[in-house]
Amino acid sequence: DQQVKQNSPSLSVQEGRISILNCDYTNSMFDYFLWYKKYPAEGPTFLISISSIKDKNEDGRFTVFLNKSAKHLSLHIVPSQPGDSAVYFCAASPYLPGRNNAGNMLTFGGGTRLMVKP
Amino acid sequence: GAVVSQHPSWVICKSGTSVKIECRSLDFQATTMFWYRQFPKQSLMLMATSNEGSKATYEQGVEKDKFLINHASLTLSTLTVTSAHPEDSSFYICSASGGAASLIGGYTFGSGTRLTVV
Repeated sequence: DQQVKQNSPSLSVQEGRISILNCDYTNSMFDYFLWYKKYPAEGPTFLISISSIKDKNEDGRFTVFLNKSAKHLSLHIVPSQPGDSAVYFCAASPYLPGRNNAGNMLTFGGGTRLMVKP
Repeated sequence: GAVVSQHPSWVICKSGTSVKIECRSLDFQATTMFWYRQFPKQSLMLMATSNEGSKATYEQGVEKDKFLINHASLTLSTLTVTSAHPEDSSFYICSASGGAASLIGGYTFGSGTRLTVV
């Protein structure tokens, strides 16, 4: 039973345009959501997070939107750059990671491979 | 920023031998480290949670006698794949709680180890 789903395995976007990566979850206990970026043969890098008390969090070119009623979140990258090409994982947790060993409650989606074409 | 160093980055071993993977937090103390496994084109699956000075907590379906975890200090956790078989070939990634990323909810990941058992 996949509690966190990224239904698009891949996404191709032109440089300068907006990239929208989607993530759906089923567990209503999830309270904290994170996005990670991963290059081949490397570990994931934390990108941005959002707690359930917010519906938007912005950091530079990256914005995460949360629709709690729809159990849906999305990551917007604008403008997209070729260096953004990577696999993006969304992850969810019932707790704020770092508290109560919440890392063992971190559930990852299957990832979306983003390709930004020059 | 916080760095988690993972070694080796890749290893090829013969079936039946054991392989040790190290995960070190370089500039922060990590009381808790997590070990993940990623099969090709799949998500990160948590294998176990490693706590400094105590026994690791394994996820359901992960053989603790096969995947030995030792967290002897606040900066080092090791994963030993014992009597490796070809089906153990995978990408293994550690992450640590602590460091700058954890302040906003993220975990710091190592760069991963590609294990190939022949």
